[in-house]
Amino acid sequence: ETGVTQSPTHLIKTRGQQVTLRCSSQSGHNTVSWYQQALGQGPQFIFQYYREEENGRGNFPPRFSGLQFPNYSSELNVNALELDDSALYLCACCPGTGGTYEQYFGPGTRLTVT
Amino acid sequence: AQTVTQSQPEMSVQEAETVTLSCTYDTSENNYYLFWYKQPPSRQMILVIRQEAYKQQNATENRFSVNFQKAAKSFSLKISDSQLGDTAMYFCAFRDNFNKFYFGSGTKLNVKP
Repeated sequence: ETGVTQSPTHLIKTRGQQVTLRCSSQSGHNTVSWYQQALGQGPQFIFQYYREEENGRGNFPPRFSGLQFPNYSSELNVNALELDDSALYLCACCPGTGGTYEQYFGPGTRLTVT
Repeated sequence: AQTVTQSQPEMSVQEAETVTLSCTYDTSENNYYLFWYKQPPSRQMILVIRQEAYKQQNATENRFSVNFQKAAKSFSLKISDSQLGDTAMYFCAFRDNFNKFYFGSGTKLNVKP
């Protein structure tokens, strides 16, 4: 167990709708990253939040947005859903203590857009 | 921009045998970190092993070891004494100095009894 949780586990939405995905970590670390993993592909970096501010963004349009809260939980919001947004969305946190720099991933949310 | 390439989409190995998964990357940075992650069918991404680029010694974690060739930008994973529980997707990942991670497309490993 990585101590990172995500909700919901699965989600089905219709094209054009909006969706909010959630992430939290037991340790409440101040850095969280979000990734999109299409079927059969590796995770693609969406963005990262550090102390409630966006701190790096991948090649994703503005309709992908996020929030990080004072308790360091996080949300990923996607507006105007498209069919290609169907994917597994992973949250990762906690650049390791002791200078190890790895990330720990949550179990993901499977989003299906119809 | 950083890129990570895994050229083996799928591999098979007999239980108890040894298998090596390949990974190459491209970067202009000198200090960085490399990782191998395992993603079983249950889909939870699990860290297997890490390597700091400034360390010449190859990392080892029990049955897992890496062959890190910095000049060649190569980072392969060797799994010794393969077990059925090793069956999973394996992703090579690169962490840049901004804590941004880049992943390869993955290698599906099947361990056969």
